[in-house]
Amino acid sequence: DIQMTQSPSSLSASVGDRVTISCRASESISNYLNWYQQKPGKAPKVLIYAASSLQSGVPARFSGSGAGTDFTLTISSLQPEDFATYYCQQSYSTFRVTFGQGTRLEIK
Amino acid sequence: EEQLVESGGGLVQPGRSLRLSCAASGFTFDDYAMHWVRQAPGMGLEWVSGISYNGETIGYADSVKGRFTISRDNAKNSLYLQMNSLRAEDTALYYCVKLTYSGSYYNWFDPWGQGTLVTVSS
Repeated sequence: DIQMTQSPSSLSASVGDRVTISCRASESISNYLNWYQQKPGKAPKVLIYAASSLQSGVPARFSGSGAGTDFTLTISSLQPEDFATYYCQQSYSTFRVTFGQGTRLEIK
Repeated sequence: EEQLVESGGGLVQPGRSLRLSCAASGFTFDDYAMHWVRQAPGMGLEWVSGISYNGETIGYADSVKGRFTISRDNAKNSLYLQMNSLRAEDTALYYCVKLTYSGSYYNWFDPWGQGTLVTVSS
């Protein structure tokens, strides 16, 4: 299976900060990489698909980049509602899906 | 509006069985692959199983292979997960998710149901 490794596991930041979360695949997945946001008690929701495509309705302060094995989720200016846990997910193997372990973004 | 509603969770003893169901609405169910994703309390997301639109292609995580069986009934717009030989480590919130496509290649999970909680304990 393709292993997905996120870093950091947790992150403290302030409103207005620029934040970057990394995700690394154990083998090349081209750009078959999705990012999800999960708030406490809620189901995850997709933010970015195909590594850099913004899902409809997601604020433009979210962006994704990368290809091959290394990917990044960037939040350009943190808003209070962005404090949540973020997961990457490879969609290269449709029926052997794997997620990163998650990055918890907390208020400093 | 696309909607997924899971049911069938509950408290079950180790070694016993449970069947989860997911009722889909708001989209053409038999056009889409469907998956189950679970989340143990306080932990991350773990993919469990997926099934193609016509049921011909199925995949399982190694942690559930041989114990869980995914199926679908396109006439009833429903997805199922038969869970046998349950273990304490299967305790989790189980989400039903639709595999949404862009073009022929890119796909992601959207929407997600609200989840159904499975607790395996004696």
